[in-house]
Amino acid sequence: GNSVTQMEGPVTLSEEAFLTINCTYTATGYPSLFWYVQYPGEGLQLLLKATKADDKGSNKGFEATYRKETTSFHLEKGSVQVSDSAVYFCALTPFILTGGGNKLTFGTGTQLKVEL
Amino acid sequence: EAGVTQFPSHSVIEKGQTVTLRCDPISGHDNLYWYRRVMGKEIKFLLHFVKESKQDESGMPNNRFLAERTGGTYSTLKVQPAELEDSGVYFCASSLGGTITDTQYFGPGTRLTVL
Repeated sequence: GNSVTQMEGPVTLSEEAFLTINCTYTATGYPSLFWYVQYPGEGLQLLLKATKADDKGSNKGFEATYRKETTSFHLEKGSVQVSDSAVYFCALTPFILTGGGNKLTFGTGTQLKVEL
Repeated sequence: EAGVTQFPSHSVIEKGQTVTLRCDPISGHDNLYWYRRVMGKEIKFLLHFVKESKQDESGMPNNRFLAERTGGTYSTLKVQPAELEDSGVYFCASSLGGTITDTQYFGPGTRLTVL
């Protein structure tokens, strides 16, 4: 079955530091890949997505590139802010030709804390 | 426009009791999903409604869980009787369509604690 593995947290960084959160997946074909973010007390929000190999998703200074050869979708940001403190979830939906609809398969989440 | 809302935000019950969670999707969204995050683990899919019909209920853990969406608007998820392992955060999401291009919008979740 499909699965997503992401790096264990928590990750603690100083403001303006570079962020990488690793995410790898197991799935047939070409799934669609997502990063969701959950700020304290709120629901999950879609941060960015990529639907085919070599696509780069980007939003709010965050980027992730769909790497089919390494089955990865690592999240990066060049300079984090205190307001980026949240839990980040990597997720996928199945390749359309394999069926399975558009239910999301998530990783375990990575908590990020950014300090001044 | 109001987002996805869930009620209650927290629920603490004893093993063997019944709990009903409610989800109100974004108005006009035909697709409604339930997910669950058990303590520190990944968020797992439970089921998917299209209007009032269950499109996919492959993630429902057992027959103690009953989901309904009468009238195709709000949905309820009943757990009866609750067990300790049912503790976790239950998320609801909705989307306009059911394709990969349709963003799923999530509610804040209901934290369920079974003692």
